[in-house]
Amino acid sequence: RKEVEQDPGPFNVPEGATVAFNCTYSNSASQSFFWYRQDCRKEPKLLMSVYSSGNEDGRFTAQLNRASQYISLLIRDSKLSDSATYLCVVNDYGQNFVFGPGTRLSVLP
Amino acid sequence: EAQVTQNPRYLITVTGKKLTVTCSQNMNHEYMSWYRQDPGLGLRQIYYSMNVEVTDKGDVPEGYKVSRKEKRNFPLILESPSPNQTSLYFCASRSVMNNQPQHFGDGTRLSIL
Repeated sequence: RKEVEQDPGPFNVPEGATVAFNCTYSNSASQSFFWYRQDCRKEPKLLMSVYSSGNEDGRFTAQLNRASQYISLLIRDSKLSDSATYLCVVNDYGQNFVFGPGTRLSVLP
Repeated sequence: EAQVTQNPRYLITVTGKKLTVTCSQNMNHEYMSWYRQDPGLGLRQIYYSMNVEVTDKGDVPEGYKVSRKEKRNFPLILESPSPNQTSLYFCASRSVMNNQPQHFGDGTRLSIL
């Protein structure tokens, strides 16, 4: 079983849609969680950290469910510029950062 | 401007010819790491370093070396490159305080013929 799993997509959604991505992780000792976005083979860029109580940043909401070892990212009112690959990243307080394979999103006009 | 700088950005070379990809960060981060990214496999960690003179293997260290003589620099060395090391490489750094995220360089696309 892979340590971090994501639905690879692609998710094709119209502008203005709400879209949700899921991520599951296998290491119950994992302590910190992040969502990154990556554009077309460019460097990954931090989108947001994920906190236990859930957190929101504008149109983006991240949730963490430790019991189910599950992280989610919700994007509301999708923009064309949201088209990218979204990477789920998990860290266990060691220095082992594990990246999920990414979920590709295409927002269509 | 806070950044992670990799060089070169692109390199085409031949099997067996030693090469070094440099990585430098100006954020005084303790932690630095190298990843490779291949289609369908995502980002995989090659080596990481917790601080000067401290390096550890990641998930795919075979065929690579690193060194951390200074805090700001973390070069990736391919002593005898082979075609299966053709990939997109990223260097990253972070502060080890309070679960800080990693910051990535722009990437280096290596082609080994």
